[in-house]
Amino acid sequence: AQSVTQLGSHVSVSEGALVLLRCNYSSSVPPYLFWYVQYPNQGLQLLLKYTSAATLVKGINGFEAEFKKSETSFHLTKPSAHMSDAAEYFCAVPISGGYNKLIFGAGTRLAVHP
Amino acid sequence: DAGVTQSPTHLIKTRGQHVTLRCSPISGHKSVSWYQQVLGQGPQFIFQYYEKEERGRGNFPDRFSARQFPNYSSELNVNALLLGDSALYLCASSLRVQTYEQYFGPGTRLTVT
Repeated sequence: AQSVTQLGSHVSVSEGALVLLRCNYSSSVPPYLFWYVQYPNQGLQLLLKYTSAATLVKGINGFEAEFKKSETSFHLTKPSAHMSDAAEYFCAVPISGGYNKLIFGAGTRLAVHP
Repeated sequence: DAGVTQSPTHLIKTRGQHVTLRCSPISGHKSVSWYQQVLGQGPQFIFQYYEKEERGRGNFPDRFSARQFPNYSSELNVNALLLGDSALYLCASSLRVQTYEQYFGPGTRLTVT
């Protein structure tokens, strides 16, 4: 069965600093991987998705993620954090045999301070 | 275009009661999925409906049920509420069942006392 693990429930960075949010998936190669963002009192918004076409995926708001099969990782990065990036970020993988049925990680709350 | 809408936004119920949550998908979307997000955790898949038929069910007890109407809107029903059912309930819609593109609503915050 597919699963994802997000290392670090809270990450704090300074404005302008590199953002790195970690996600590792279960050893079986997933067909797709996703990063979603959740702002306070809002639903989930898709940041980016890996679809096997390219290992480096660019998403919205300057975020990108790199699929590394050897490390079973799909870490999310952004070169320069902005105050508006403060939110909760979730990594997700489809349930085996499912399409839009997702398994989510526990989430990482990103805080950005001046 | 309106996104996914959910009602109510907040709800407080007592243990043992029943609750109905509603979701209207994006216009033209035929698939609706429901997720439960307990505080401090990631969302957990509950149900998927497509063309009024259940197409997937997560590991939730039979107290949870759902249906989809001809206009593709959906209801999630939970009977015999427990304290542990307190959560944010998210609805997501997609154009069809075999797609990875889904769009989430703002959720309904259910508190069970």
